[in-house]
Amino acid sequence: GENVEQHPSTLSVQEGDSAVIKCTYSDSASNYFPWYKQELGKGPQLIIDIRSNVGEKKDQRIAVTLNKTAKHFSLHITETQPEDSAVYFCAAGTSGTYKYIFGTGTRLKVLA
Amino acid sequence: ETGVTQTPRHLVMGMTNKKSLKCEQHLGHNAMYWYKQSAKKPLELMFVYSLEERVENNSVPSRFSPECPNSSHLFLHLHTLQPEDSALYLCASSHKLAGGPGAEQFFGPGTRLTVL
Repeated sequence: GENVEQHPSTLSVQEGDSAVIKCTYSDSASNYFPWYKQELGKGPQLIIDIRSNVGEKKDQRIAVTLNKTAKHFSLHITETQPEDSAVYFCAAGTSGTYKYIFGTGTRLKVLA
Repeated sequence: ETGVTQTPRHLVMGMTNKKSLKCEQHLGHNAMYWYKQSAKKPLELMFVYSLEERVENNSVPSRFSPECPNSSHLFLHLHTLQPEDSALYLCASSHKLAGGPGAEQFFGPGTRLTVL
């Protein structure tokens, strides 16, 4: 079946450094790619998303890149802060359907 | 209250109990979802409602029974659960069901369910 692979499963960075999380999807029809941040005791929060008609999108310290040919998309967090520590999930979806295929999550720890 | 709320936040139940999870969205959305989140597994979509009509039952066992009385409220009725049903149950909502802007899903905080 369709799936999304997410790497790494855990990531530790020093405060101020950058963090990169990568996802690969299998369904070539996917054209919507959201990223969610889940803090302890909370539900996933949508932090940024990208549609297949663009290759990159940026919002302050976070950015997402998409390579449709390779079926890769990545989340980039610059100047990391302790409050960035959380589990991050990628997902792939298709216009015309509500079904997202989620990755297994990356636990990011930002060390002060 | 704003966003998507869920009650209770924690629930412990025996296998013979009957309980219900409640979700309420204050966003004026038309679609609501139930997901199951288990450790080290991708989120699993369970049920989808659009304008109070169920549009998806993702091969979920009958011991889980959803109810959507109106577009703001969603329930998940539980009975004779198994220990492997222990998980975080997440509710989500979106303005529309699918296709482009407006279909983004917003999640509640979840109910942590433990089945003994």
